Amino acid sequence: DVKVTQSSRYLVKRTGEKVFLECVQDMDHENMFWYRQDPGLGLRLIYFSYDVKMKEKGDIPEGYSVSREKKERFSLILESASTNQTSMYLCASSSDKRTGVTRELFFGEGSRLTVL
Amino acid sequence: SQELEQSPQSLIVQEGKNLTINCTSSKTLYGLYWYKQKYGEGLIFLMMLQKGGEEKSHEKITAKLDEKKQQSSLHITASQPSHAGIYLCGAISGSARQLTFGSGTQLTVLP
Repeated sequence: DVKVTQSSRYLVKRTGEKVFLECVQDMDHENMFWYRQDPGLGLRLIYFSYDVKMKEKGDIPEGYSVSREKKERFSLILESASTNQTSMYLCASSSDKRTGVTRELFFGEGSRLTVL
Repeated sequence: SQELEQSPQSLIVQEGKNLTINCTSSKTLYGLYWYKQKYGEGLIFLMMLQKGGEEKSHEKITAKLDEKKQQSSLHITASQPSHAGIYLCGAISGSARQLTFGSGTQLTVLP
């Protein structure tokens, strides 16, 4: 089974702290994504990556950066956390190879971040 | 950019009742995904529709994509408490590698 693992299920940080959210997938997927989920707003794409050392901005990249040094790992970085970044963060991956279901996204279980 | 609107935002039904959730797109859909999310967890893929008029079923859940490919419906027959959760529709957008999601429908099934 495809597995997308997010390192922390729950985090509590203070305003101004640097926060790292780690995501690892074990299916050799090319594409990786970071979403945040807020009530009433659904999932919004923060950043995505199609390849190692490659990144592209999603719909709401402000206040975030990402790193993809290895194919299996995609990190989301909050340089200086703010209270409006309190949210559920979801990592996902997908493959460009034909698997019978076009571009299905596989999600991690999420990281709930609270910024005080 | 593509926008997806889901309705209703929340739904409370008695166990055994049928229900329908709708997803309407501002643009033609080239691939429509349905996911389910239990509270505080990640999303689980349910099914994907591509062709206008297409209909797929998984256990008691059926999804359809209308002929004009701008709306999809998810229908649950004889709902069970295990069906409770958030249902989200997603559509391919941008370079066709990204999914844009609707805001979700919170389903509660009362025993």
